[in-house]
Amino acid sequence: EVQLVESGGGLVQPGGSLRLSCAASGFIFSDHYMDWVRQAPGKGLEWVARVRKKVNSYTTEYAASVKGRFTISRDDSKNSLNLQMNSLKGEDTAVYFCARVAVLGGKYYTDVWGKGTTVIVSS
Amino acid sequence: DIQMTQSPSSLSASVGDRVTITCRASQGISNYLVWFQQKPGKAPKCLIYGASSLQSGVPSKFSGSGSGTDFSLTISSLQPEDFATYYCQQYNSYPITFGQGTRLEIK
Repeated sequence: EVQLVESGGGLVQPGGSLRLSCAASGFIFSDHYMDWVRQAPGKGLEWVARVRKKVNSYTTEYAASVKGRFTISRDDSKNSLNLQMNSLKGEDTAVYFCARVAVLGGKYYTDVWGKGTTVIVSS
Repeated sequence: DIQMTQSPSSLSASVGDRVTITCRASQGISNYLVWFQQKPGKAPKCLIYGASSLQSGVPSKFSGSGSGTDFSLTISSLQPEDFATYYCQQYNSYPITFGQGTRLEIK
């Protein structure tokens, strides 16, 4: 069974940093791109970042709202996905989901999601 | 950025009804569209990918159609477990973007 389990969320002050992790199991982690997606309280879904596979040099993509502040990374030896969040703002308050990416026709879409971890940015 | 607009934003329906939710992209995305279902406090679940392909394990009561800029999700014979929020997502280009969601409520 495919499982994604996020951790690392919590309360942080504006301007602070936090590192989220996602433990993957039940599939060959290194074969998949991986995403982070977030959902602010009572709001819709917002894609945050993507990291590609080793064969793609682990290249990354970011939403404009987090570019330069957040860094997505992966450790294939540990089946782990990470999100380093710096210079946090109140608008970063959200549930953060880790998601596996599948491929069809050369395009990549999220197919399995974790349950999420909550980040609250407040003084 | 490609803007995804869903309609309606909310919808009331009865058990047994058939409903359709639409999603419009601000520019053509071929068939690179996913539909997700999300229940309160839960992770989104992929229902349809490639605009019309049923994700493994998803019942055939869910169907998707469309290409280019106009897409739809149809749910037949609504059951209590189908009442949730539905999102479309385009994956044709970065940044990946979602519709604002359609909340399906029991009438």
